[in-house]
Amino acid sequence: AQSVTQLDSQVPVFEEAPVELRCNYSSSVSVYLFWYVQYPNQGLQLLLKYLSGSTLVKSINGFEAEFNKSQTSFHLRKPSVHISDTAEYFCAVSDVGSNTGKLIFGQGTTLQVKP
Amino acid sequence: DSGVTQTPKHLITATGQRVTLRCSPRSGDLSVYWYQQSLDQGLQFLIQYYNGEERAKGNILERFSAQQFPDLHSELNLSSLELGDSALYFCASSAWTGEGEKLFFGSGTQLSVL
Repeated sequence: AQSVTQLDSQVPVFEEAPVELRCNYSSSVSVYLFWYVQYPNQGLQLLLKYLSGSTLVKSINGFEAEFNKSQTSFHLRKPSVHISDTAEYFCAVSDVGSNTGKLIFGQGTTLQVKP
Repeated sequence: DSGVTQTPKHLITATGQRVTLRCSPRSGDLSVYWYQQSLDQGLQFLIQYYNGEERAKGNILERFSAQQFPDLHSELNLSSLELGDSALYFCASSAWTGEGEKLFFGSGTQLSVL
């Protein structure tokens, strides 16, 4: 079984400051790792994912995450946030070896960007 | 717009009642996933269907059931509703790309049980 822990439920930050949203996972099998974003009154959107290869993955809007196998972490970072980044962020895993893409989510982190 | 349509957007009902939530996946997507998002449990996987057949099951209560029809739309049936069933229910469909399976989420159905 897998589990995902997002260490911060809320992260307040000022605009243009850097931010890190922390995610740790537990699994007895190999996993794929994801970050999803949920804007108010919307569904989840894929932000970025790690499947294999380079452990540093990037999104088109400046976010990046690094897979650290030894620490079982997949922290999300952005060097300079914008007001529009205010949203809920979910870390998730799925089982590499299964025939289903079902995701196990963390509890979510609310990113509040202040002007 | 993800291309996944969920209806209704909001549903208010009473304890003990039964409701049906509907999901239309993106054109061509064969898989449908159902998730429940609540304040205390977070986002929980309920069930997955692939081309009409159940493929994976998560923490879905016996009072809940789902099915996927030949036209690939899916319905989640919730019966004997309790206050704790109040939640946002998401549907997602998936497509296999060159980078694995990608899930596309609908905007959800907000269920309020009074």
